[in-house]
Amino acid sequence: GQNIDQPTEMTATEGAIVQINCTYQTSGFNGLFWYQQHAGEAPTFLSYNVLDGLEEKGRFSSFLSRSKGYSYLLLKELQMKDSASYLCAVLDSNYQLIWGAGTKLIIKP
Amino acid sequence: DTGVSQNPRHKITKRGQNVTFRCDPISEHNRLYWYRQTLGQGPEFLTYFQNEAQLEKSRLLSDRFSAERPKGSFSTLEIQRTEQGDSAMYLCASSLDAGFNEQYFGPGTRLTVT
Repeated sequence: GQNIDQPTEMTATEGAIVQINCTYQTSGFNGLFWYQQHAGEAPTFLSYNVLDGLEEKGRFSSFLSRSKGYSYLLLKELQMKDSASYLCAVLDSNYQLIWGAGTKLIIKP
Repeated sequence: DTGVSQNPRHKITKRGQNVTFRCDPISEHNRLYWYRQTLGQGPEFLTYFQNEAQLEKSRLLSDRFSAERPKGSFSTLEIQRTEQGDSAMYLCASSLDAGFNEQYFGPGTRLTVT
């Protein structure tokens, strides 16, 4: 079966750094996406990794290790507006996105 | 606004009724996806179109669900004989041709079946 695991909820402090992990087991791999979803809103694209390593984009970075079936999203200099759910999704061999349940990130002042 | 739009934004219906949702993708996107999302879960794939062709439909999808994209532009999702378990957010997304292109999501249609 196909499976994507990420923590259900995390709490962090404004200005700090947080790392959200994602592990996956899928039939094939054509890349991994991270999306942000604020409550009651649609997901918005954050990053795409298909090769091993770290991709940096402003305050957000995403890392991939294909051999370990592992990725993380790193958020720096946390702001209150970063409070949201963060969804990990893998593009499988059929180019279908398999989604994790999301990690709810709570930012405290 | 050139983003993905969905109508209606909210729909309340009684069990057993039929409902239809509409999605207008970004105009140059030829892939269109339908997902269902319940609270605390990630989106669940329902079906997708490449232009007007429906290329895949989830095996978990009941025969009560049908989708069309007649001219390769907007799409409709119909649910017949709605059940309380159909209550969810229905999301539409579109993307450029290749599967690894990011998907742009619409605001969703929240369905409540009473």
